[in-house]
Amino acid sequence: GAVVSQHPSWVICKSGTSVKIECRSLDFQATTMFWYRQFPKQSLMLMATSNEGSKATYEQGVEKDKFLINHASLTLSTLTVTSAHPEDSSFYICSAMLAGPQETQYFGPGTRLLVL
Amino acid sequence: DAKTTQPPSMDCAEGRAANLPCNHSTISGNEYVYWYRQIHSQGPQYIIHGLKNNETNEMASLIITEDRKSSTLILPHATLRDTAVYYCIVTWGKSTFGDGTTLTVKP
Repeated sequence: GAVVSQHPSWVICKSGTSVKIECRSLDFQATTMFWYRQFPKQSLMLMATSNEGSKATYEQGVEKDKFLINHASLTLSTLTVTSAHPEDSSFYICSAMLAGPQETQYFGPGTRLLVL
Repeated sequence: DAKTTQPPSMDCAEGRAANLPCNHSTISGNEYVYWYRQIHSQGPQYIIHGLKNNETNEMASLIITEDRKSSTLILPHATLRDTAVYYCIVTWGKSTFGDGTTLTVKP
């Protein structure tokens, strides 16, 4: 149980284009999902917290107009990287939180983005 | 927010138990201890979590000290596929994932 999927697993795009990444909780409902970014040889950094039916909360330094997050259902959150540039190339990972006091997060396999 | 301290790296022989320590001396009474691992180029994998009592599942055992200021993750029979970065987490936030412990299981 508690499986999270991401699509696509990798994407290559041209500079200036937009890329959408989907995150799905396959066997549970998640009122809260999270988006992380990981650069090579660095640890995961939280970008934003996504709550179903409301606006996402972005961490300091993360541009909300560049990284659009939509959490329209209890099993799906999307991250759109708008007008991508080479510096946005990274490993994007989502997680979904199982409801309850224990706040256990389950992570997707990640999406590797390369912007040329 | 409670922080954690882990050794940067550890080695373990294949088939032997791997004991990964974590200090969380500022943990509050209602904060759980979570363990995850990240194998290269994959998303973090949930291993186990606990509050006060020791826990065991099919992957590992978690030993939490009585004062809850430290814990140990035990992989009872490490295999080469257990080579990964292991993270001990008590609080979720921007910098939840520190450097973790890089466990290398050797033949």
